[in-house]
Amino acid sequence: NAGVTQTPKFQVLKTGQSMTLQCAQDMNHNSMYWYRQDPGMGLRLIYYSASEGTTDKGEVPNGYNVSRLNKREFSLRLESAAPSQTSVYFCASSGAGGAYQPQHFGDGTRLSIL
Amino acid sequence: DAKTTQPPSMDCAEGRAANLPCNHSTISGNEYVYWYRQIHSQGPQYIIHGLKNNETNEMASLIITEDRKSSTLILPHATLRDTAVYYCIGSSGGSNYKLTFGKGTLLTVNP
Repeated sequence: NAGVTQTPKFQVLKTGQSMTLQCAQDMNHNSMYWYRQDPGMGLRLIYYSASEGTTDKGEVPNGYNVSRLNKREFSLRLESAAPSQTSVYFCASSGAGGAYQPQHFGDGTRLSIL
Repeated sequence: DAKTTQPPSMDCAEGRAANLPCNHSTISGNEYVYWYRQIHSQGPQYIIHGLKNNETNEMASLIITEDRKSSTLILPHATLRDTAVYYCIGSSGGSNYKLTFGKGTLLTVNP
C-alpha cells in the first residue's frame, strides 16, 4: 500500500530552470495539497485541490502552478526557479465525507536551487 | 484558523508518559484540535483529533479542557521512536480543510 508517492526525492536546479514535481495517491482521496517546509519552520500550504478539476491558492502560491491531472495525480510546477524556492516540498491527500478526514503525507521532495 | 501556542521543546524519559501541552485560547466552536507529528526527514503523520471530548486511539490520548482553550497530547509510554516535532493545529473540519502548521514542539525521548 504505497499511500502518497512523490517524485523525484531530490533535485538540484539552476536559477531560471523549470521543473515539475509529481505526486500520486492510491487511496481514492478527493482532496490533495502541496506544502513547502523551510529549515526550522512548519509547513506552509502552496496550493490545494478539493476535487478533480478544481485548484485553489494557499498561503504561498507565488512562483508556482499546479495541475490536478486526474483524481490520483496532483503536480506542482516551478516555471522559473529562484533560490528562495529551495525547500522541502510535501504532497498530501485526504478523503471526503464525514466530519473529518486526516491528511496523509508523502516523504517529500528536497529541492535545491543554485 | 485558531492560533496555537506550544513550547518549543520538551524532554521525556523512555517508558514514561509524554504530556505535550497546547494553548488555543482563540479556538472557535466548530474548530477541531488536530495533532500531527514529523519524524526527522519524513512527512507529517496524523496522530489524533478532537472537538470537545477526550479522545484515545492506538497512538495517543487527547485531553481537551472544558473551555476548549487548551489541550494535552499524551503518549502513554514514550519510546525513542517517538522523538519528533509535534504539531497542534486548530482548524475547521470537513473534507476541504486546510492545516496551518506552526513550529511545533520538539519532543526528545531519552534512554
